[in-house]
Amino acid sequence: EPEVTQTPSHQVTQMGQEVILRCVPISNHLYFYWYRQILGQKVEFLVSFYNNEISEKSEIFDDQFSVERPDGSNFTLKIRSTKLEDSAMYFCASSEIGAADTQYFGPGTRLTVL
Amino acid sequence: AQTVTQSQPEMSVQEAETVTLSCTYDTSESDYYLFWYKQPPSRQMILVIRQEAYKQQNATENRFSVNFQKAAKSFSLKISDSQLGDAAMYFCAYRSADSGTYKYIFGTGTRLKVLA
Repeated sequence: EPEVTQTPSHQVTQMGQEVILRCVPISNHLYFYWYRQILGQKVEFLVSFYNNEISEKSEIFDDQFSVERPDGSNFTLKIRSTKLEDSAMYFCASSEIGAADTQYFGPGTRLTVL
Repeated sequence: AQTVTQSQPEMSVQEAETVTLSCTYDTSESDYYLFWYKQPPSRQMILVIRQEAYKQQNATENRFSVNFQKAAKSFSLKISDSQLGDAAMYFCAYRSADSGTYKYIFGTGTRLKVLA
């Protein structure tokens, strides 16, 4: 069964550094999402992406964040200058255009900012 | 704004027994979707069951069923004949049926332990 994959599984970075989290959505899906979960807290929506542009974003998704689909298969989340509070699990998800109500999630990338 | 509440941080169940996980939500919308996702340790979240708010019939998937009480804004998950593989974090999620948004709103999750 097709799955959403994410790399790396764990990323450690220094405060102020840029990080790129990578996701490979399910191949026939057209909607892509990023969520994050700070330890012990709720999974929170960050951004949705369709047709090569952001369709929706939360207040968390400020100018430090950006998303890109660089090559037709990967979907990336970039954090330009990481802060301690960016430490979290980041989940990528994708959904089909016709069944956009059901999202399929990747295993997550644990980001640790030191 | 919509909210989702899971009041049970952790639950335990004996193998082969039945357990119910609670979820309540708050919304002013009349049409929406509700989901239960399961997240095994170090694995991705997988969809367990989905309910459309306009359907009165409770969704069922094998050993998993929901008790959807729209007026009470309650959406509990019942797992029958619990198996060791059911041990996981379970998330309840809400999604508006408004075509302008696809974001999920999650609860904090319930960790389910299955005792042999």
